[in-house]
Amino acid sequence: KNEVEQSPQNLTAQEGEFITINCSYSVGISALHWLQQHPGGGIVSLFMLSSGKKKHGRLIATINIQEKHSSLHITASHPRDSAVYICAVSRSNYQLIWGAGTKLIIKP
Amino acid sequence: KAGVTQTPRYLIKTRGQQVTLSCSPISGHRSVSWYQQTPGQGLQFLFEYFSETQRNKGNFPGRFSGRQFSNSRSEMNVSTLELGDSALYLCASSSAGTMNTEAFFGQGTRLTVV
Repeated sequence: KNEVEQSPQNLTAQEGEFITINCSYSVGISALHWLQQHPGGGIVSLFMLSSGKKKHGRLIATINIQEKHSSLHITASHPRDSAVYICAVSRSNYQLIWGAGTKLIIKP
Repeated sequence: KAGVTQTPRYLIKTRGQQVTLSCSPISGHRSVSWYQQTPGQGLQFLFEYFSETQRNKGNFPGRFSGRQFSNSRSEMNVSTLELGDSALYLCASSSAGTMNTEAFFGQGTRLTVV
């Protein structure tokens, strides 16, 4: 079993829909990162969380440390949000352990 | 301030050759970590450097090595290239390490081994 599991693997939605991507992990972590990867490869950091909730524009990330679960929400989704969203957890040994990613397509 | 710069962006090498990839972190950042991304394995940790010291290494063969210079720029080297080394290699820059500081990524170097 992977240490970081994401769901769903693929998600297609209509513009304007509320999107939720989930991440569960099975190891002790220092922090959890949500990242976005567009075609071409570049990765952009969206959030780093160690507790609670963070919001940036239309993006919201939450984490429940007790349940070892995090969610990334996108409100009022737009075609430009189409990308791969990746959850990664930081460990005390300086490495990131990555989820497999969620490929999101938003249709106009 | 300038972002993370990886060079070259694209590289084609022949099996058996060696390759060196470079990563210049954000000014002031002392931690650089490297990751390999392949369609089959996803993103995997290679190594992490902080102030010229390797603090951790992932589960890769000894053909993969790296170093960090006093200006925090980092290089990774792969010797005796194999077809399976074809991948996108990403580096991440952070002020103190991804444990508790945000990571900023370069655009990656896409290596093709033929």
